[in-house]
Amino acid sequence: EVQLVESGGGVVRPGGSLRLSCAASGFTFDDYGMSWVRQAPGKGLEWVSGINWNGGSTGYADSVKGRFTISRDNAKNSLYLQMNSLRAEDTALYHCARNRGSSAFDIWGQGTMVTVSS
Amino acid sequence: QSALTQPASVSGSPGQSITISCTGTSSDVGGYNYVSWYQQHPGKAPKLMIYDVSNRPSGVSNRFSGSKSGNTASLTISGLQAEDEADYYCSSYTSSRWVFGGGTKLTVL
Repeated sequence: EVQLVESGGGVVRPGGSLRLSCAASGFTFDDYGMSWVRQAPGKGLEWVSGINWNGGSTGYADSVKGRFTISRDNAKNSLYLQMNSLRAEDTALYHCARNRGSSAFDIWGQGTMVTVSS
Repeated sequence: QSALTQPASVSGSPGQSITISCTGTSSDVGGYNYVSWYQQHPGKAPKLMIYDVSNRPSGVSNRFSGSKSGNTASLTISGLQAEDEADYYCSSYTSSRWVFGGGTKLTVL
């Protein structure tokens, strides 16, 4: 079964850091680009960051550029998101998603919740 | 980058058809045939319903169809069923990143 399982969320104070992980299974991980998409409570979807199949190309939303870093370990079938200088507006459910080329996100994880609060 | 514009809500009766619009710019919706649509039920992960403007992934009902004209994409659901009640989001690729619409809540009356 094709599956993405996120972990690493939690409660953190403003200015703090957190590292999210996404474990992939059921498909050849290094055949695909991957992304992080977040959803604030009661709000819509927001693309956060993406990475190509070998980690050689990455992209970020303006809202997180310079604070978040996406990476992957193909040997471990894992995707990561290092989040620094966290703000209250980063509070959201963070989904890991598989990129269907440039066209869509075809597999989604259930998400891991990040709460930034003092 | 600004979000794509979707109506906040639409509704229809069982058996009817509804259309959800998604308006962007020539830099996103109008510039690429990389528009996708997602269905999200409460407490669940989004599910891909349409990709590349009008293509359905395997397993998605043919009651769902997509189209695009200029800077506006559309999702049409025909033969509405109770299980179609959900939030729907459009998305477009644009210059090495992606942008989503604000979402549309579909109510089946």
